[in-house]
Amino acid sequence: DAKTTQPPSMDCAEGRAANLPCNHSTISGNEYVYWYRQIHSQGPQYIIHGLKNNETNEMASLIITEDRKSSTLILPHATLRDTAVYYCIVRATSYDKVIFGPGTSLSVIP
Amino acid sequence: NAGVTQTPKFQVLKTGQSMTLQCAQDMNHEYMSWYRQDPGMGLRLIHYSVGAGITDQGEVPNGYNVSRSTTEDFPLRLLSAAPSQTSVYFCASSYSSRPTEAFFGQGTRLTVV
Repeated sequence: DAKTTQPPSMDCAEGRAANLPCNHSTISGNEYVYWYRQIHSQGPQYIIHGLKNNETNEMASLIITEDRKSSTLILPHATLRDTAVYYCIVRATSYDKVIFGPGTSLSVIP
Repeated sequence: NAGVTQTPKFQVLKTGQSMTLQCAQDMNHEYMSWYRQDPGMGLRLIHYSVGAGITDQGEVPNGYNVSRSTTEDFPLRLLSAAPSQTSVYFCASSYSSRPTEAFFGQGTRLTVV
């Protein structure tokens, strides 16, 4: 089973920030939080990952709570091209299998 | 740098036929995996490998075989195709020893009639 839970769908107005939550209450100390997105039927695309500190790159920001039981992916200025399914997964730098949950379907509305 | 290459992109099979979906990566990644994605559904793990000579089952392994004779290649074999295996198949690779991202291929769209 996936180790994360996400809302099945969300809407966001174009130009506004999209905040996508993820619950990972059973995360282990050596597991990182990763975010991917899948646009239409393309291969999933990596967005960002983090361990315990907040992270930012050119695509998004990742906010991880202090207890590491949840996180939020922030797309600061959502565009129509950000409409996609967003997946949150946890994974250690180990040899464990990677299971995806159903993700959050984000619709950016004009 | 080609990344993860999947072939073919599209395939139609008749029930009972066999075929191999190819996946190759040129990033020297230890970890490789196969997922299937049915319409409107998420990704389900079929098989994965943590290195050459090592494979293991994922969530939905029945009807599929894999092998990993080299670091670069991870083929997925359908021994006797069934309509229930109609799906889009994605291959992914990543390092196991470093916290870096996984790279996905563009998928193989398989139809079994």
